[in-house]
Amino acid sequence: GDSVTQMEGPVTLSEEAFLTINCTYTATGYPSLFWYVQYPGEGLQLLLKATKADDKGSNKGFEATYRKETTSFHLEKGSVQVSDSAVYFCALSNTGGFKTIFGAGTRLFVKA
Amino acid sequence: DGGITQSPKYLFRKEGQNVTLSCEQNLNHDAMYWYRQDPGQGLRLIYYSQIVNDFQKGDIAEGYSVSREKKESFPLTVTSAQKNPTAFYLCASSPDLASADTQYFGPGTRLTVL
Repeated sequence: GDSVTQMEGPVTLSEEAFLTINCTYTATGYPSLFWYVQYPGEGLQLLLKATKADDKGSNKGFEATYRKETTSFHLEKGSVQVSDSAVYFCALSNTGGFKTIFGAGTRLFVKA
Repeated sequence: DGGITQSPKYLFRKEGQNVTLSCEQNLNHDAMYWYRQDPGQGLRLIYYSQIVNDFQKGDIAEGYSVSREKKESFPLTVTSAQKNPTAFYLCASSPDLASADTQYFGPGTRLTVL
């Protein structure tokens, strides 16, 4: 079945450092790919998404490119801030699949 | 403002009691979902519903029940049969099940069994 694997955390960075959180997937067909973010004590919210190969999703300085050849959707940000500290979830959803598959989440700590 | 509301934010239950978690959305979405999140873990799907008066079991439905009598409401009951109910519960909705679209989440309910 479909699955998502993302790098284990926690990831600890200093402010203004470069961020990469790896995400790879296994799926049939052509899924949509998502990154969600969860701040402490809150629900998840969509950070960015891409619906087809080579699409780049971007939001708030975060980017991720849908790479079908490597089945990856790595999250990047050039300069992180303390306010980016959160848990990041990679996810996929297939048309007609009726479910969104979430990765285990990666906790990010950013130090001032 | 459109969105999803969950209540209560914190809920305490004694062992052997059933409790019901509320989830309401005013986004006019057809599909709704319940997830369970344990500390340091990802989301596990409990139940989902594509349309009023229809719902399906997810991956961990045992000890839980739901109803979908109205499009905007999808309450979750945690029954006494759920052996380890202490967790963070998240409700979500999406325009429809089949379109692989974004899910919109509520703020969650943290359930603690005393």
